[in-house]
Amino acid sequence: QSVLTQPPSASGTPGQRVTISCSGSSSNIGGNPVNWYQQLPGTAPKLLIYINNQRPSGVPDRFSGSKSGTSASLAISGLQSEDEADYYCAAWDDSLSGYVFGTGTKVTVL
Amino acid sequence: EVQLVQSGAEVKKPGESLKISCKGSGYSFSSYWIGWVRQMPGKGLEWMGIIFPGDSDTTYSPSFQGQVTISADKSISTAYLQWSSLQASDTAMYYCARLIGQYNGFDIWGQGTMVTVSS
Repeated sequence: QSVLTQPPSASGTPGQRVTISCSGSSSNIGGNPVNWYQQLPGTAPKLLIYINNQRPSGVPDRFSGSKSGTSASLAISGLQSEDEADYYCAAWDDSLSGYVFGTGTKVTVL
Repeated sequence: EVQLVQSGAEVKKPGESLKISCKGSGYSFSSYWIGWVRQMPGKGLEWMGIIFPGDSDTTYSPSFQGQVTISADKSISTAYLQWSSLQASDTAMYYCARLIGQYNGFDIWGQGTMVTVSS
């Protein structure tokens, strides 16, 4: 059972902006940085955003992250067909002394 | 190239034991935590635990404590995940991944090992 809550799905047409929310608590998002992962169908997850809003080398600037209090968001601007994937937020949880993933959001490009 | 390469898919019967592996290359394996993540069919990601190969310091998720054993052999740059008695509910894809600092996330992932437990 995940302690980070995401909407199960999100969708948009090519070129649109899509936002995914991630809700946690003071022991995880509220006190620690948030990371985001993208999982394309049939592949391993990929780090998309780290420390709330940093992009690893090679990640397009269409992807951006933000955090406020115990919630975080991932925004995809200029949505493209190749963005169709599952997206997970994650953070260290001080109460669990471990890493927790969000419930995951499936993004569909209409 | 920095990479993690996992052992191949396994098909086992309930009650059998299993040890899967994750071999790192292209970086100092002993210097980074390695984590294990479970993904049951059609489900999300679950963090199982992490190990620091340099001294084998290990932390388990409460959900997996006592259910699996995480180990590492730094001399061959390999981490392991093992079960002593598999159950059908262990059927899942298992990923290893490198942790770049406690808060920075997992930056390198293995390709995954599919474990199927069926009688």
